[in-house]
Amino acid sequence: AAGVIQSPRHLIKEKRETATLKCYPIPRHDTVYWYQQGPGQDPQFLISFYEKMQSDKGSIPDRFSAQQFSDYHSELNMSSLELGDSALYFCASSFRGGSGNTIYFGEGSWLTVV
Amino acid sequence: QKEVEQNSGPLSVPEGAIASLNCTYSDRGSQSFFWYRQYSGKSPELIMSIYSNGDKEDGRFTAQLNKASQYVSLLIRDSQPSDSATYLCAVPDAYSSASKIIFGSGTRLSIRP
Repeated sequence: AAGVIQSPRHLIKEKRETATLKCYPIPRHDTVYWYQQGPGQDPQFLISFYEKMQSDKGSIPDRFSAQQFSDYHSELNMSSLELGDSALYFCASSFRGGSGNTIYFGEGSWLTVV
Repeated sequence: QKEVEQNSGPLSVPEGAIASLNCTYSDRGSQSFFWYRQYSGKSPELIMSIYSNGDKEDGRFTAQLNKASQYVSLLIRDSQPSDSATYLCAVPDAYSSASKIIFGSGTRLSIRP
C-alpha cells in the first residue's frame, strides 16, 4: 500500500539559509500534518492542513511556513535557519472520514543545520 | 501537566517475558487512543488503536483502555529483541479542528536476551 512520501530524506544547510521539505500524503487522504522531532524528544506538532486549508497551528516558528497544494502535496518552508532547527521532520496524513482519523507518518526528513 | 503522560523508562524486560507500557491522559473526552513504535532515527509506526473500554488484541500486542481511570496500556507478549524501541502513546487533541494527535514523551523499551 502507498505510504506518505517525504523528500528529501536528508538535507544539510548552513545557518541563515532556507530549506524546503516536501510531503506527498497517502492517496485520498485529505489532511496533512507536520511534526518536528529533536534528538531525544517526542514529536512536536507544527501545522496541519485539511482540504488545502490550514486547520491547526502548533509550535511553528514565524520563520517557517507551509502550504498544501491542489494535488494535496504539502511543502514546509524554513528560512533563516538556526542550529536549533536541526531535527527530524515528519509529515503525516489521515482521512477524516475514516475510523478514528488514524494518522500515518512518512519516513521523515533529516535536517542538519551547520 | 502534559496532556499525555508516560514513564520515560528505560524499561528492561527479558526476552520472552511480557512488557507492560502505561499511559495516562488528561482529557476525559478523548475517544481514540494510539500506540506507535519508533525505532531510533525512524518514523513512528502505528501498532495499535483502541476506541472502546476493555482489551483489544492483535498478535502479540494487547491494548487496554480504561476511560474512567483515564489510562491506556500496551502489553507485548513473548517479547523479542526486535521489540526494543520507544513506544509513543498518542491521543487526538480534542480542541483541534484537524484532530492532530498529541504524543506522550515515549517509553524506551529494551528487551534483553
